[in-house]
Amino acid sequence: AQRVTQPEKLLSVFKGAPVELKCNYSYSGSPELFWYVQYSRQRLQLLLRHISRESIKGFTADLNKGETSFHLKKPFAQEEDSAMYYCALRGHTDKLIFGTGTRLQVFP
Amino acid sequence: DTGVSQDPRHKITKRGQNVTFRCDPISEHNRLYWYRQTLGQGPEFLTYFQNEAQLEKSRLLSDRFSAERPKGSFSTLEIQRTEQGDSAMYLCASSPWVISGANVLTFGAGSRLTVL
Repeated sequence: AQRVTQPEKLLSVFKGAPVELKCNYSYSGSPELFWYVQYSRQRLQLLLRHISRESIKGFTADLNKGETSFHLKKPFAQEEDSAMYYCALRGHTDKLIFGTGTRLQVFP
Repeated sequence: DTGVSQDPRHKITKRGQNVTFRCDPISEHNRLYWYRQTLGQGPEFLTYFQNEAQLEKSRLLSDRFSAERPKGSFSTLEIQRTEQGDSAMYLCASSPWVISGANVLTFGAGSRLTVL
């Protein structure tokens, strides 16, 4: 079965604290993983994807096939990072399978 | 081109009525996706098209749901005999199709359905 699990519904941190949003996946092949973000009153948009190995807005994510994880990390959270974050998997077909999302709250 | 457009943004209907949502994708994108999102959940795949061909349909999609993309441009999602459980945000997304994969989806703002 293809599945994405985000165990935390809510993650609250203070500005400047490190952030790690967890994502685990279940997939038998070689997955493509993504992080999408939805800021308040905005559309769902791509944050980053594992094949690009990029850092966007200070966020990075490393695919760990052994642990089937794709955790999103940022060393120093900013208030503007407050949003809903969704991990997504592209499996055997072209559709994306999303996790249930984690709400990140960054307090001043 | 201002991105993916969805209409209407909000629809309130009575149980048993039919509703139709429209999605206009980014013009050069030949793939179009429909997702449904309920409170506290991530987007749930419904169906997707490549040009006018419907390539996959979720088993979660009952016979009351139908989607079309007749000319390979805009798409419609119709729900017949709506039920209260159909209340959700219906999201449309589009992407180009690249053989190498990793197609990035661009989402619309969504159409919120409330069934009374």
